[in-house]
Amino acid sequence: AQKITQTQPGMFVQEKEAVTLDCTYDTSDPSYGLFWYKQPSSGEMIFLIYQGSYDQQNATEGRYSLNFQKARKSANLVISASQLGDSAMYFCAMREGYTNAGKSTFGDGTTLTVKP
Amino acid sequence: GAVVSQHPSRVICKSGTSVKIECRSLDFQATTMFWYRQFPKKSLMLMATSNEGSKATYEQGVEKDKFLINHASLTLSTLTVTSAHPEDSSFYICSARPAGDREVTEAFFGQGTRLTVV
Repeated sequence: AQKITQTQPGMFVQEKEAVTLDCTYDTSDPSYGLFWYKQPSSGEMIFLIYQGSYDQQNATEGRYSLNFQKARKSANLVISASQLGDSAMYFCAMREGYTNAGKSTFGDGTTLTVKP
Repeated sequence: GAVVSQHPSRVICKSGTSVKIECRSLDFQATTMFWYRQFPKKSLMLMATSNEGSKATYEQGVEKDKFLINHASLTLSTLTVTSAHPEDSSFYICSARPAGDREVTEAFFGQGTRLTVV
């Protein structure tokens, strides 16, 4: 069975600094996808970044990068130059397999607060 | 980018009544949609996988007769909470993926529906 673990219920970061949100996963499927989402207080889920299990390089999307360490089964999200608008809940998720039918499992989330 | 529209965003209903929530993919076809339930400051819990033209697949512990899912077209899935009770109050959110057997790099979510049963 799949499992996603986010060990940081809450994190604080100073504006303009970088922050790392931790995520570890467990699966026996060699094919999987890892996602990070942002959920502001409005409730919408905003896709941030994706890493496929066969991708050789770490994914990057603007200020977001995913530190993918396959052997350690970790997929930490790094947010550079934090902004006040980054304050939100962040979820790590893993999707089974490599097609659009695979189910996703979500971690418990990390609440990030950016301080001015 | 692709858009998924979920309606209504908020609904208050009386105990014992039924509520229908719609999830539409606006600019792509979605053979598969997922329905999640989320309690305050908690994770998303998958309720069921909605497949176009066939019966939904429910997760263990989810009552099929209470949470009716219909996926009648490639762009619309509905979740009906039947005989709602206060314990059904929650945030319900859908996601949809583009059709086609290819690596999926993004899933698209609706805006969510906050259901309050009084």
